[in-house]
Amino acid sequence: GAVVSQHPSWVICKSGTSVKIECRSLDFQATTMFWYRQFPKQSLMLMATSNEGSKATYEQGVEKDKFLINHASLTLSTLTVTSAHPEDSSFYICSAERLAAYNEQFFGPGTRLTVL
Amino acid sequence: GQQLNQSPQSMFIQEGEDVSMNCTSSSIFNTWLWYKQDPGEGPVLLIALYKAGELTSNGRLTAQFGITRKDSFLNISASIPSDVGIYFCAGQSGGATNKLIFGTGTLLAVQP
Repeated sequence: GAVVSQHPSWVICKSGTSVKIECRSLDFQATTMFWYRQFPKQSLMLMATSNEGSKATYEQGVEKDKFLINHASLTLSTLTVTSAHPEDSSFYICSAERLAAYNEQFFGPGTRLTVL
Repeated sequence: GQQLNQSPQSMFIQEGEDVSMNCTSSSIFNTWLWYKQDPGEGPVLLIALYKAGELTSNGRLTAQFGITRKDSFLNISASIPSDVGIYFCAGQSGGATNKLIFGTGTLLAVQP
């Protein structure tokens, strides 16, 4: 159990276009999901915390108008990169928090975004 | 953003050797976690530590939560080729948010 999926697994887009990435918890409900960005040979950096039914909480330095997050249901959060530019090319990873005695986060397989 | 200091940055070892890596922080954490990430995939949880001083094993892996709550180490015994990957520590403060702060990572290469 506790599987998290992401779609698409990779995407290539032209500069200026918008890209939507989906994060789904397949066998549990998640009121909280997290979005991370990972540049090559670097660590995971938290971008924002996605809360079901409310606005996302963004980390310092992350533009909320550029990275739109929607957590419309207990199993789905989406990240939309608006007006993407080459510097937005990265590996985007989500995690979903399963409520239990210890609230463990389960990570998705990631989405590789390449902006030309 | 904030990151935890992880060392060493990389290790190249022979199969069968033991490995040790650690993670330090200037802040106190209530939970320490160790993850392994394979290329092009998301991280997978290896060990979770919830109490200061706690020592926990998972097969050939052993991790400890430092008494000061500002550090943790991970040991891998008798390494095998499939141990290759990047290992990350992560700290969690708890409270109103369960967000994770990740370490800088340790790249492990194991030569058969």
